Amino acid sequence: TQLLEQSPQFLSIQEGENLTVYCNSSSVFSSLQWYRQEPGEGPVLLVTVVTGGEVKKLKRLTFQFGDARKDSSLHITAAQPGDTGLYLCADVGGSQGNLIFGKGTKLSVKP
Amino acid sequence: KAGVTQTPRYLIKTRGQQVTLSCSPISGHRSVSWYQQTPGQGLQFLFEYFSETQRNKGNFPGRFSGRQFSNSRSEMNVSTLELGDSALYLCASSLMSGSSNEQFFGPGTRLTVL
Repeated sequence: TQLLEQSPQFLSIQEGENLTVYCNSSSVFSSLQWYRQEPGEGPVLLVTVVTGGEVKKLKRLTFQFGDARKDSSLHITAAQPGDTGLYLCADVGGSQGNLIFGKGTKLSVKP
Repeated sequence: KAGVTQTPRYLIKTRGQQVTLSCSPISGHRSVSWYQQTPGQGLQFLFEYFSETQRNKGNFPGRFSGRQFSNSRSEMNVSTLELGDSALYLCASSLMSGSSNEQFFGPGTRLTVL
């Protein structure tokens, strides 16, 4: 059974700081998705990465996919309070056609 | 375009009762998946319905069941509730079956079992 580990579990920073969160898999990802879940809402897809070594940018967010496709990182530059939420990584390739999620990194950005 | 809606948003039940949760997908989406989210286990897949048929099922006991109607709306039912069933239940809709199709999540139903 594939296990996704995310680190750190919790992160509390001040507005303007940079941060990186990580997602590691016990096996090769089919393809990897990053989601953000805000309090009281469902997860919202941020990006999908497919190719080893791939880097994608979404405004202040930079997503990297490891060469071996077993790990990924999400870097946020100059964090803002609006970035607060639970960041989840997920593998698209569940054996039942489902998404397999990590437990997430809970980010709090204080003004 | 309206998003995925789930009703009710909050629910309190006692052990032994049963509960039915509802999910209305985005118009035109034919697949609905259900997930359970808890602090300890994270998001775990319950089942997926496509064109009124259960396509896939996660590793949950038979107390958890679901169905899908011809208009793609879906319900999930939990019978004989246990304290451990307290969780946020999320549904996600997509155009077609399978996780490679982008899934859009609803806001969830927060179930508390006392």
